[in-house]
Formats: sequence, structure tokens, C-alpha cells
Amino acid sequence: AQSVTQLDSQVPVFEEAPVELRCNYSSSVSVYLFWYVQYPNQGLQLLLKYLSGSTLVESINGFEAEFNKSQTSFHLRKPSVHISDTAEYFCAVNGGGTSYGKLTFGQGTILTVHP
Amino acid sequence: GAGVSQTPSNKVTEKGKYVELRCDPISGHTALYWYRQSLGQGPEFLIYFQGTGAADDSGLPNDRFFAVRPEGSVSTLKIQRTERGDSAMYLCASSLVEGSLNTGELFFGEGSRLTVL
Repeated sequence: AQSVTQLDSQVPVFEEAPVELRCNYSSSVSVYLFWYVQYPNQGLQLLLKYLSGSTLVESINGFEAEFNKSQTSFHLRKPSVHISDTAEYFCAVNGGGTSYGKLTFGQGTILTVHP
Repeated sequence: GAGVSQTPSNKVTEKGKYVELRCDPISGHTALYWYRQSLGQGPEFLIYFQGTGAADDSGLPNDRFFAVRPEGSVSTLKIQRTERGDSAMYLCASSLVEGSLNTGELFFGEGSRLTVL
């Protein structure tokens, strides 16, 4: 069985400040890891993913996450946030096999960026 | 449309009634998933279709829940004898499967919010 823990339910920050959203997972098998984002009044969207290869992955809007196998973590970071980054962020894990889309999600972290 | 479409966006029903929620995936996506999201929680997997067949229905909470995808495109999630605990956002997602390689990306609809009074 797999589980995902997002350590912070809410993270308030000021614009242009750095941010880290924490995610830890547990799994007995090799995993694929994802961050999904939900902007207000929109559906979930993929932000970035780790499937294999380099442990540092980046999104097109400046977020990055690093897969750390020894610490079973996949924290999301951005060096300087914008008002438009205000959203709920979900970490998710998939154990591979035939159901690639069978994800286990964390509880979500609401990021609020203040001017 | 270009994205995953879910109808209705909101459904209010009374305890004991039957409900159907519809999902129209992105054209060409062979994999389709249903998730349920309760308030303050992350989405929870319900069922996964590959084509017309349910490849994994291990997340369905009980036999009141059933889903079909008869032609391999549109799917309907059916809930019988609804209970107040069924109140949640029901999310549908689809993905493109290319042979044995899956990119790992799910495309989600905006969800159907079900309220059972």
C-alpha cells in the first residue's frame, strides 16, 4: 500500500518570497511521483512529474521538485512566487504496474500568495 | 471541446435516490478514471477503465457504486440508494496510453459536486 503526506495544509507567503511545499510518501515498490495544481474554479492540472532519470524536475512556470529516495520525499519549491501561484497543490504517487493513473494523493496544500 | 467534460456540474438529491454522473473524456484517450474528493481531502481513486472494460475497480466503496463505459468513450458513474456520506466532488480524468508506455499525466475534468440531503 502507498500513502502520501503533505505536511502543511496551508502556506501563506508574500509575493516574490521563496516557498517550499513538503511531500513525503511511503511505498514498498518503485514509484512515480507527481505534483498537481488546482487553481480556483478549475480542474486539477499536472504541474510536474518524476518518472525516471534526473531526480530534479522542473515545471514551465518556475517550480521544481526533487525526488529523494532515501528520505522518501518529493518537496516542491519555487524561489520567487507570484500572486498567480495562489492555488491548492496536491502531491501524488503511483506504483507503476498496469494502472498508471491509479494515483494516491496527499491531502493538499493551499498556497496563498499575498501582495 | 478539447478537455474532459463532466455533467452535471452540481447535483443535489435526497437520501435514497439514484444518481448518474457523466464523463466525456478527451477524444482518443483510451484510459478513463473516476476519483472522489471529499472536503479538505485529496482525490481518492474509485475505478479505472482501459477501453470498455474496468481494469481496476478496487476503489469503489461498496456495491451501490457502479460505472460503465460501453463504447470506450463516455463513462457514467451510477450511485444507487444514495447516502449523505456520498456527498463529495466526483472527478473524472483521462489519459493517453501509447502501447505499453504511459506518460503518467492525467487530464481532469472540473468535477461533479454531489450533495445528498
